[in-house]
Amino acid sequence: EIVLTQSPGTLSLSPGERATLSCRASQSVSSGYLAWYQQKPGQAPRLLIFGASSRATGIPDRFSGSGSGTDFTLTIGRLEPEDVAVYYCEQYGSAPFNFGPGTRVDIK
Amino acid sequence: EVQLVESGGGLVQPGGSLRLSCSASGFTFSTYSVNWVRQAPGKGLEWVSFIGADPYTIYYADSVQGRFAISRDNAKNSVYLQMNSLRAQDTAVYFCAREYCGRDCHAMDVWGQGTTVTVSS
Repeated sequence: EIVLTQSPGTLSLSPGERATLSCRASQSVSSGYLAWYQQKPGQAPRLLIFGASSRATGIPDRFSGSGSGTDFTLTIGRLEPEDVAVYYCEQYGSAPFNFGPGTRVDIK
Repeated sequence: EVQLVESGGGLVQPGGSLRLSCSASGFTFSTYSVNWVRQAPGKGLEWVSFIGADPYTIYYADSVQGRFAISRDNAKNSVYLQMNSLRAQDTAVYFCAREYCGRDCHAMDVWGQGTTVTVSS
C-alpha cells in the first residue's frame, strides 16, 4: 500500500503570494496517477489536477501541478481569498488508492 | 447537468447494515468508473471502494474489505455500497465520485453532495 504524506500541515500566506504544497509517496506512483483536490468547509472535494500536472476542466491557471515518482507539488501562483481550503493529494495508480492527510491553506 | 446524488444514509446500530445508492444523470454512466470516499467528522478524506466501467474491476480499502460490497446497475445509472457489520469507526459522510478511465485515468472529477452514516447505539 502506498502511503502519502503532505507538508506543511498548515500554510498561512497573504493574498497574491505563491503557495507551494508538497505530497510525498512511500513508493513510486504508478503511471503518474496523482491528483490534487480542494475542499472547502461543508462542500464536496473539487478536482484540481490529475495525472500529476493536468488541470481539470474549469480550474484557473494559477493552479499547477508537477512532479513524478514519489515527489509531487501543487503550486497556487497568486493566492486569492477564495483559495482558503484544505488540499488533498490522492494516488489512484495502485489499489488500494488513498489520500494524503491534507494541507490547510489560510489567508493572513 | 452532470450530477451524482447519494442516498441511503442514516443512523444504524453497531453490527447493523445499510445500503447506499449513488444515482447518476447528465452523462453516459456506463463509460465511467465510480469511487466511494468517506470523511469522518472533522477528519480527512478516506478512499473506500472502486468499481470500474466494466463491473468486474473492484477494489476495497483494507478497513472495509469483507464487510462492504460495491455493485452497479447501468440500466438504472446507479452504483450501490452494501455496508455490513458496521462499526462506530464507519461513521462518516459518504461521497460517490465518477472517474473516467480511457487510455488514461482522469481521477474523480464529479462528486455527489454526500450522505451521512452514523453508527451508534
